[in-house]
Amino acid sequence: NAGVTQTPKFQVLKTGQSMTLQCAQDMNHNSMYWYRQDPGMGLRLIYYSASEGTTDKGEVPNGYNVSRLNKREFSLRLESAAPSQTSVYFCASSAAGPPYSNQPQHFGDGTRLSIL
Amino acid sequence: AQSVTQLDSHVSVSEGTPVLLRCNYSSSYSPSLFWYVQHPNKGLQLLLKYTSAATLVKGINGFEAEFKKSETSFHLTKPSAHMSDAAEYFCVRTDSWGKLQFGAGTQVVVTP
Repeated sequence: NAGVTQTPKFQVLKTGQSMTLQCAQDMNHNSMYWYRQDPGMGLRLIYYSASEGTTDKGEVPNGYNVSRLNKREFSLRLESAAPSQTSVYFCASSAAGPPYSNQPQHFGDGTRLSIL
Repeated sequence: AQSVTQLDSHVSVSEGTPVLLRCNYSSSYSPSLFWYVQHPNKGLQLLLKYTSAATLVKGINGFEAEFKKSETSFHLTKPSAHMSDAAEYFCVRTDSWGKLQFGAGTQVVVTP
């Protein structure tokens, strides 16, 4: 009954280092998403994958890359980390994605990332 | 212009009293609307969703929300707060392509 699993849960990086955040879902969902959460700003969409084999930019994609490895897994990569990328990152999945607007998303517990 | 406005950043209620969390949205079409809850150090959990069926939507844990098109509002209520309701609540709408847009959140504190 895992749902959406994110690894790692916590990470501290130095400016300029690279890192990949992992996400896997076991609900056979077609669509997956990466968000960042910053105080007072809600969640903002970084990238999403409406279906296996496709990825699209969200609201704040600069500085990030993604890979939809298979139907279950969707990773987020920071190539050269910057202090502005200090945030909590959430992965989510849904049965169907855009342009289907009424599908709820299921969230992982987040990765807390600090960049010094 | 903000797509979703949560009118209170913090709400404090006493246990056993009603909870009201206010949300206004802007849209030129009929969006889908959701309320999510986030407990400390956890992901977001869906409370309820509105998808153009009944205007009064019942969710989990005794929460409900009323869609008012004339007021572009989707306020969340619960008749009697419980200590476990202390969390952050997000009002969310879909954009024209079906992606989610989040309000800034309302932090709920429940006092004994």
